[in-house]
Amino acid sequence: EIVLTQSPGTLSLSPGESATLSCRASQSVSSSPLSWYQQKPGQAPRLLIYSASSRATGIPDRFSGSASGTDFTLTISRLEPEDFAVYYCQHYGSSPPMYTFGQGTKLEIK
Amino acid sequence: QVQLQESGPGLAKPSGTLSLSCAVSGDSISSNNWWTWVRQPPGKGLEWIGEIFHSGTTNYNPSLRSRVSISVDKSKNHFSLQLSSVTAADTAFYFCARIPSYSSCMDIWGQGTTVTVSS
Repeated sequence: EIVLTQSPGTLSLSPGESATLSCRASQSVSSSPLSWYQQKPGQAPRLLIYSASSRATGIPDRFSGSASGTDFTLTISRLEPEDFAVYYCQHYGSSPPMYTFGQGTKLEIK
Repeated sequence: QVQLQESGPGLAKPSGTLSLSCAVSGDSISSNNWWTWVRQPPGKGLEWIGEIFHSGTTNYNPSLRSRVSISVDKSKNHFSLQLSSVTAADTAFYFCARIPSYSSCMDIWGQGTTVTVSS
């Protein structure tokens, strides 16, 4: 079973700065089924990135995703006040079918 | 636009069965997508429960497989979740979502519904 470990647990930054969020898989995985979500308090998660680096519809280009081996990164440039939230990575494995989420990174205003 | 809306009792009794429905609008439940349930205990992270295709094919989280059943009702354009033998550990926010055929992501989510397991 794949485990996704996100770091840091909490990231404190100021608006205008850039954020780098990490998601590491416990074993070698394909990058194509890796997604990132943003969740604000009391709301459902919102899809940001799919297939490791493709932005979902309506997501600004300040959000970008990348992959290198078992390491996946979500980068948010020029932080806006509305970007402060919890971010989750998610991977799909096909044998057997299983969707795994990381434990989340909280991005908070410094 | 595509919208999903969860509904069902907000309270379930220990050892009983939790039942929720997800109404789909703006898309057909028979389209080339999977439909899924995800839950989130209070203050915790996300856990995948299972998914269904309109053909009735299902996949479940192994940790819940013995207690979960997901079904689809094409006539009502909705899908449903049943979780049996519930305990306090099943208290959570329950979300339904769509998984488009082009990817393994969850692109459209319902707003979620809270279920508390308590006597």
